Amino acid sequence: DADVTQTPRNRITKTGKRIMLECSQTKGHDRMYWYRQDPGLGLRLIYYSFDVKDINKGEISDGYSVSRQAQAKFSLSLESAIPNQTALYFCATSAPGLAGVETQYFGPGTRLLVL
Amino acid sequence: QKEVEQNSGPLSVPEGAIASLNCTYSDRVSQSFFWYRQYSGKSPELIMSIYSNGDKEDGRFTAQLNKASQYVSLLIRDSQPSDSATYLCAAGFQKLVFGTGTRLLVSP
Repeated sequence: DADVTQTPRNRITKTGKRIMLECSQTKGHDRMYWYRQDPGLGLRLIYYSFDVKDINKGEISDGYSVSRQAQAKFSLSLESAIPNQTALYFCATSAPGLAGVETQYFGPGTRLLVL
Repeated sequence: QKEVEQNSGPLSVPEGAIASLNCTYSDRVSQSFFWYRQYSGKSPELIMSIYSNGDKEDGRFTAQLNKASQYVSLLIRDSQPSDSATYLCAAGFQKLVFGTGTRLLVSP
């Protein structure tokens, strides 16, 4: 079984709809992240959480919200989807390792199309 | 604005050659550096991490870090067609900043 799972894998929705993307992990990591990826723009951080009680905005949080329901679950919501939120969304997890280096491990991604 | 810069490519190399991928970063306090490989439509997969100046080798891959020049590179020896992918450079500590990636094409 995959260590980091995302549901759904593909989603088509209409402008104005509320949708939720879910991420679950079995790695036991405290830290979780949501990124979006657009062609030519690379990965951009939306929100991150260092533990269940810690939620932080990333560089492009406008139009998004998150919920950390448990150590293993981190959900991303689009309250009112708009077409420029069409992108590939990735969840990632990390934990401190040797010399404090943290490696991020990515889920399989959710491809979102907003019409 | 913290930035990680990569040439978008494509970098084309013949099978068996050495591919050299480069990356520069702007934030001098960055402590950790990563190379991820990403196939089209798939998630990034960790190839190498490095946090000390110098070289780090793992199989066909060698990562090089020069903190004074704020420069990270990835060498892929004996390149294979299966190495054709986009390679993402990332820098930071707990939060990472990603470059836009370099597309590598290895021709048989």
